[in-house]
Amino acid sequence: QQQVKQSPQSLIVQKGGISIINCAYENTAFDYFPWYQQFPGKGPALLIAIRPDVSEKKEGRFTISFNKSAKQFSLHIMDSQPGDSATYFCAAREGGSYIPTFGRGTSLIVHP
Amino acid sequence: GAGVSQSPRYKVAKRGQDVALRCDPISGHVSLFWYQQALGQGPEFLTYFQNEAQLDKSGLPSDRFFAERPEGSVSTLKIQRTQQEDSAVYLCASSLVRNQPQHFGDGTRLSIL
Repeated sequence: QQQVKQSPQSLIVQKGGISIINCAYENTAFDYFPWYQQFPGKGPALLIAIRPDVSEKKEGRFTISFNKSAKQFSLHIMDSQPGDSATYFCAAREGGSYIPTFGRGTSLIVHP
Repeated sequence: GAGVSQSPRYKVAKRGQDVALRCDPISGHVSLFWYQQALGQGPEFLTYFQNEAQLDKSGLPSDRFFAERPEGSVSTLKIQRTQQEDSAVYLCASSLVRNQPQHFGDGTRLSIL
């Protein structure tokens, strides 16, 4: 049983376009939602994170939108660049826990 | 070094052999985590250390998996009598304290033939 469901599995976007990755969860004890970026042969790197007391968080071209009632959150990458091509993982963590539960990942390709 | 360092980067072993994977965390980081990442999947938690104490080993898939961090710095993940299903990337992460952001190493890709 997958606790964090991520879609799509793969995504192709043209340079300058918007990339949108969605995640859904069931566990209402989750209270911290990070997104990780992973390049081939590298470890995941924390990109941006949100807590459920806010509905949106923006850092540069990256925005997390959070819908607590729907138990969904999404990553938007504005003005997507070829250098953004990577695998993106959403994750969720329960309050008081140190163990994130990861989604299965989205492979993003941004064409020049 | 500035980041988490893992060695070797690649390891090929025959089924039944024992392997040892090393993690050098960021200096001063109290918390150290091991994850297993299967192909096309997200990382899955294996075990957690606070200094030299292994506080959580709930994610270790079998008693063939063993981890240690004897001096509270470098950690070793050992897999005994390897099986083909052990083939994966093994990631190590460290953080200043346990709820702070985790910094991942680049992993060891383990292939069991």
